[in-house]
Amino acid sequence: EDKVVQSPLSLVVHEGDTVTLNCSYEVTNFRSLLWYKQEKKAPTFLFMLTSSGIEKKSGRLSSILDKKELFSILNITATQTGDSAVYLCAVEVGTSYGKLTFGQGTILTVHP
Amino acid sequence: DGGITQSPKYLFRKEGQNVTLSCEQNLNHDAMYWYRQDPGQGLRLIYYSQIVNDFQKGDIAEGYSVSREKKESFPLTVTSAQKNPTAFYLCASSQQGINEKLFFGSGTQLSVL
Repeated sequence: EDKVVQSPLSLVVHEGDTVTLNCSYEVTNFRSLLWYKQEKKAPTFLFMLTSSGIEKKSGRLSSILDKKELFSILNITATQTGDSAVYLCAVEVGTSYGKLTFGQGTILTVHP
Repeated sequence: DGGITQSPKYLFRKEGQNVTLSCEQNLNHDAMYWYRQDPGQGLRLIYYSQIVNDFQKGDIAEGYSVSREKKESFPLTVTSAQKNPTAFYLCASSQQGINEKLFFGSGTQLSVL
């Protein structure tokens, strides 16, 4: 059975802190790993990772994949209250494009 | 504006009742998906459809049914056989191809009266 595990499940920090969110996976026929941010309702896309060791960056957010050790991290530097959200990690497997297996999510709360 | 529209935002179901959640997209995407989200849990796949008039069961299809008669529409029916239907339901779509990400609707919160 395909499995995606995120840690920590919740995290509380103050503005300006740097956070690292973890995602490990055990799946057959890995295709890609995706990160989403869910603030209220609809998850919004952050990153898609397919190759090991290549960092993807968007402003204060960055992410990297390790296909040997089967994990990914999402880093957020200089956190702001607007970063408060649930961060979802998902893995795309097999031949069915877009069919994702999600982790439980990490609830990030950033206090002023 | 292109996007995915889910309705209603909130829905209440009585015991023994079937209810249908609507999902419409104008992104011209081939594939559509239904996920269920419970508190403290990730999203779990209910059904997905990669092409009109065809759909497959996901990981938790029991108690649900879908149809895909039009490319733009993928309604989900929660039947009376689903004994624990209270959850947040998310519809998503994607274009078929390598490395195509999912776009999500704003969700429907279903509760049992």
